[in-house]
Amino acid sequence: KAGVTQTPRYLIKTRGQQVTLSCSPISGHRSVSWYQQTPGQGLQFLFEYFSETQRNKGNFPGRFSGRQFSNSRSEMNVSTLELGDSALYLCASSLNQGPGTGELFFGEGSRLTVL
Amino acid sequence: ILNVEQSPQSLHVQEGDSTNFTCSFPSSNFYALHWYRWETAKSPEALFVMTLNGDEKKKGRISATLNTKEGYSYLYIKGSQPEDSATYLCALRDDKIIFGKGTRLHILP
Repeated sequence: KAGVTQTPRYLIKTRGQQVTLSCSPISGHRSVSWYQQTPGQGLQFLFEYFSETQRNKGNFPGRFSGRQFSNSRSEMNVSTLELGDSALYLCASSLNQGPGTGELFFGEGSRLTVL
Repeated sequence: ILNVEQSPQSLHVQEGDSTNFTCSFPSSNFYALHWYRWETAKSPEALFVMTLNGDEKKKGRISATLNTKEGYSYLYIKGSQPEDSATYLCALRDDKIIFGKGTRLHILP
């Protein structure tokens, strides 16, 4: 069974550009959530999608957005990149049907560097 | 807004010794508490998902307890091995998923 796949694994952008990251969940998983990790910080919750609907959103500016497609694949987009957006972005999928107890299965992450 | 605290931030343990660390949170209603292990250059992996006060879970040499009334969970590792070196994360699941900053465990040979 394939795990969670994130692309691209590494990317470098400059300030002001925008970036789109992709996440393919484990087959059958309908919930996808996104996290940002920066040095000294824990995993910061960005948003969660279930059946193409955003279920919850973390405390990030509107430059951070996402969506989920009918096949459960998800994308997140960051517009007008800032230096502080340099981070590891992790995606996780879960079986849970509601905001319940399902464990998260993480991808390997996309490491974004903003110059 | 839930705030999840983990202590200690970092821990060095001799191989073969047992150890434990703590996840603290405001005593409130939430759906579940999760523990993850995150090894360097890998993805976080789930260890336990606990939902009920008094829950105790065990997987090999690792176990965890949950006390929702007093707002803490303990993770125990018995007879530490080099492969236990990792960052251990706890997370509270309510409408959002709130992670602590983790406890970084180093096993000394």
